[in-house]
Amino acid sequence: NAGVTQTPKFQVLKTGQSMTLQCAQDMNHNSMYWYRQDPGMGLRLIYYSASEGTTDKGEVPNGYNVSRLNKREFSLRLESAAPSQTSVYFCASSDLNLSNQPQHFGDGTRLSIL
Amino acid sequence: DQQVKQNSPSLSVQEGRISILNCDYTNSMFDYFLWYKKYPAEGPTFLISISSIKDKNEDGRFTVFLNKSAKHLSLHIVPSQPGDSAVYFCAASATSYGKLTFGQGTILTVHP
Repeated sequence: NAGVTQTPKFQVLKTGQSMTLQCAQDMNHNSMYWYRQDPGMGLRLIYYSASEGTTDKGEVPNGYNVSRLNKREFSLRLESAAPSQTSVYFCASSDLNLSNQPQHFGDGTRLSIL
Repeated sequence: DQQVKQNSPSLSVQEGRISILNCDYTNSMFDYFLWYKKYPAEGPTFLISISSIKDKNEDGRFTVFLNKSAKHLSLHIVPSQPGDSAVYFCAASATSYGKLTFGQGTILTVHP
């Protein structure tokens, strides 16, 4: 029972490079989310997808794009990486058809941008 | 503007005693509150939640209390165990696509 799987687990990029973070869930959840965690700031929502075919901005969307590829997969893309995007990125999913269901998180991608 | 705040960055407790973690919020639209536990190099794991229609929810050693008038919630862990040592995040949601707003986290250390 994998839950939410994120790849890669670690990545080092140079400023200006692009990369896509992958996320897949096997719980048949309709909603998926991308967060970043920075020291002293908790987790902040970057983008979310309430259902397949829809995406919307969260609290800190600048510099990112997302794609909800299908019900299982939700990717996060950095088109031109900047040092300020050095962070730990978490993907989460939940089932909004059931009221008050918690989000389930992957183990994160640790991204360093030099 | 931090809508969810955990004002204690860290808490140290002796094994067997009670741990009390606190969280304050400012947005009166929040109606669902959660606590997550996070170990290093892992993702947050859901611990316990409470809806705004309740003021208390228990699950084993964990109890969450909600004081809506004070916009305050707390997590009680009794008795505390060394394995409870982790970072604890509180989070809140208004009924809007389940988006969560997180606090900064509190590092709990339980000493044997």
